[in-house]
Amino acid sequence: AQSVTQPDIHITVSEGASLELRCNYSYGATPYLFWYVQSPGQGLQLLLKYFSGDTLVQGIKGFEAEFKRSQSSFNLRKPSVHWSDAAEYFCAVVNAGGTSYGKLTFGQGTILTVHP
Amino acid sequence: GEEVAQTPKHLVRGEGQKAKLYCAPIKGHSYVFWYQQVLKNEFKFLISFQNENVFDETGMPKERFSAKCLPNSPCSLEIQATKLEDSAVYFCASSPPGQGAFPLHFGNGTRLTVT
Repeated sequence: AQSVTQPDIHITVSEGASLELRCNYSYGATPYLFWYVQSPGQGLQLLLKYFSGDTLVQGIKGFEAEFKRSQSSFNLRKPSVHWSDAAEYFCAVVNAGGTSYGKLTFGQGTILTVHP
Repeated sequence: GEEVAQTPKHLVRGEGQKAKLYCAPIKGHSYVFWYQQVLKNEFKFLISFQNENVFDETGMPKERFSAKCLPNSPCSLEIQATKLEDSAVYFCASSPPGQGAFPLHFGNGTRLTVT
């Protein structure tokens, strides 16, 4: 069965520090990969996506992620965190082929706390 | 519009009552999806539409849940005879045609509380 694992439930960083949120997936085929952010009481905002091509993708708000097929990973990074980045982050994956239209499999989420 | 609009933001129903949630997808998007978020962080796919046609309903508890996307109307998700376990945040998402219906653009959700 398809699965997505975000090993870190909660991460705390200081403002200005670098950030890496981990995401590992278990899929039998080429995946489409996404990172979403959810602020309290808000919906999911798409940070970035990977379909194909360059394995380092740039997103909004200064985030980037790198697809590593050999490690089945799609880790999210930011060089310098801002207090406004405090939120919950979800990695999501879908099988690029077949009929999985819109059927994302989400990770459990990582809550990011930013200390001043 | 440029955002997926969901109404209402909050909905409280007594057990056994009906609940109806609405979603206006982004203009020009062909696909609409409903997801249920329970326990704060677990997302469950419910149903998808391609225009007004059901595309995939494998996640729907069919005995009480139904959904529609009619032309020139917001999409809707209806729960007959709500149960306590239906308490969740229901997210609607839409996506443009092509690219395998990705990426999904989510609304802000409707929080359903069943008491």
